Amino acid sequence: AQTVTQSQPEMSVQEAETVTLSCTYDTSENNYYLFWYKQPPSRQMILVIRQEAYKQQNATENRFSVNFQKAAKSFSLKISDSQLGDTAMYFCAFLTQGGSEKLVFGKGTKLTVNP
Amino acid sequence: GAVVSQHPSWVICKSGTSVKIECRSLDFQATTMFWYRQFPKQSLMLMATSNEGSKATYEQGVEKDKFLINHASLTLSTLTVTSAHPEDSSFYICSARDRVRVYQETQYFGPGTRLLVL
Repeated sequence: AQTVTQSQPEMSVQEAETVTLSCTYDTSENNYYLFWYKQPPSRQMILVIRQEAYKQQNATENRFSVNFQKAAKSFSLKISDSQLGDTAMYFCAFLTQGGSEKLVFGKGTKLTVNP
Repeated sequence: GAVVSQHPSWVICKSGTSVKIECRSLDFQATTMFWYRQFPKQSLMLMATSNEGSKATYEQGVEKDKFLINHASLTLSTLTVTSAHPEDSSFYICSARDRVRVYQETQYFGPGTRLLVL
């Protein structure tokens, strides 16, 4: 079974600085998808970024980028120029391609951006 | 695009009553919808997967007679908590996959429903 591990329960960063959230996963599959979801205090889950395992190029979305290391089974999220609105829980998630449609979530990292 | 709504956003009910939560995909058709439960400061726990027109698939440990799921159309799934008890109090979240953009393998989440059973 796939597992997703987020080893940092809480992190904080100063506004405008850069922070990296870590995520590792365990799978025997070769084709899969990885996601970062953000859950602000409103508790609405928001997709931040998505990565297909077959793509070597790291995904980027504006201030958000990932460092995808397939061999190491690592999928970290970098947030540049942190903003107060980035304060949220961040969940890393895994999905097998063509198999079960279930998202496997990590336990989350609570990020606080300080002014 | 890819907006999912839930209704109600919060509900308080008495122990023993049943509560129905609706999940709608507003601007797309959903092949599959998912129901999650989230306890405070914890991650999402998948309860069941529902496909339009067929029976839901429940995760191990989830009582199917307790949590009734109906996926009657491509835009609507409902979760009914039957004979609710205080331990059923939680935050319930649904998500949906876009039928057209299914290749993207992305789930879009509703805003959640807070249930408090007294």
